[in-house]
Parts: sequence; C-alpha cells; structure tokens
Amino acid sequence: AAGVIQSPRHLIKEKRETATLKCYPIPRHDTVYWYQQGPGQDPQFLISFYEKMQSDKGSIPDRFSAQQFSDYHSELNMSSLELGDSALYFCASSLFSSIHEQFFGPGTRLTVL
Amino acid sequence: EDQVTQSPEALRLQEGESSSLNCSYTVSGLRGLFWYRQDPGKGPEFLFTLYSAGEEKEKERLKATLTKKESFLHITAPKPEDSATYLCAVDSWGKLQFGAGTQVVVTP
Repeated sequence: AAGVIQSPRHLIKEKRETATLKCYPIPRHDTVYWYQQGPGQDPQFLISFYEKMQSDKGSIPDRFSAQQFSDYHSELNMSSLELGDSALYFCASSLFSSIHEQFFGPGTRLTVL
Repeated sequence: EDQVTQSPEALRLQEGESSSLNCSYTVSGLRGLFWYRQDPGKGPEFLFTLYSAGEEKEKERLKATLTKKESFLHITAPKPEDSATYLCAVDSWGKLQFGAGTQVVVTP
C-alpha cells in the first residue's frame, strides 16, 4: 500500500539559511499534518491543512510557513534557520472523514550547522 | 490542557516475558486514543485506535485496552523485533498530543 512520501530524507543547512520540506500524502487523503521531533522527544504538532486550507496551528515559529497545494501535497518552508531547528520533521496524512487515524511519513532529518 | 503521561520510560524484557505499558491521559473530550510504534530515526507506525472505555484491540503479540483515565498496551511473549519506542497519543481536536513514549528493549 502507498505510504506518505517525504523529501528530502536528509538536509544539512547553515544558520540563517532557508529550507523547504515536501510531503506527499497517501492517495485520497485530504488532510496533512506537520510534526517536529527533537532528539529524545515526542513529536510536537506544528500545523495542519485540510482541503488546502490551514485547519490548525500549534507551536510553529513565525519563521516557518506551510501550504497545501491542489494535488494535496504540502510544503514546509523554514527561514532564518537556527541551531535549535535541527530535528526530525514528520508529515502525516489522514482522510478528514476519518480524522482520527494519522499515518506518518519516514521523516526529514534537518541538521543546522 | 490535554495531557498524556506514559510509564515506564524504559522497559527491558527477556524474550517471552510478557509486560504492560501504561498511558494515562486527561482530555476535555476524548475523540480517540492512539498507539504508535517508532523505530529509531523512522516515522511513527500506526498500531491501534481506541474510542471508548472498555474497548480492546489486538494485533499479533500486542493488545490495547482503554478505561476512562488510561490505556494499557500489553505485549505477550515479546520477541526481539518488538524492540521499539511505543508512543501513546490523544486526538486533541484534530492534532495528536503525544506522550513521551516507552522505550522497550527485548533481549534474546
């Protein structure tokens, strides 16, 4: 069965640079969620989209923005990167009609030097 | 504010030694409690959803149960491949609020 696809899988950036993370949800899933997981921590919700509209917002810094496109893929844009942004970034998708079960992608490991 | 607490933080088991993981939660209105398994450096893998007290679900050596205040994940006769971090989460109005997880290591 098709799963959530994230790219790139690994990303290394310098401080103050910009990064773009991409997420392709499971086919027919219309809701996308972004989570950040620091070392040894549980995933923290950043932001979610349903039908291309932002549906909820968590602890996402103002330096980050995201959007969902007409094909339901989503991009997380991160600017003025800081050392503390180094983490695993997960995308999850679900069917809004079954809003409870979120399926996660493999993650993007971002390292800021 | 919704809160999820998992215990123990870590669990070391011998192969075949059954045990249980606990997830206590406080939530204004439970819309679902979820169990995920996470291997190092990988995304959480969905295991179970529980919606109401008294509900139970099973998958291979894992069984999840739910009461009004907590959930248990029972691991029966575990194998080394069951080694992982097990995460509990509650549906907090569409977003998942995770516990800190229980790291399980099963030795042969």
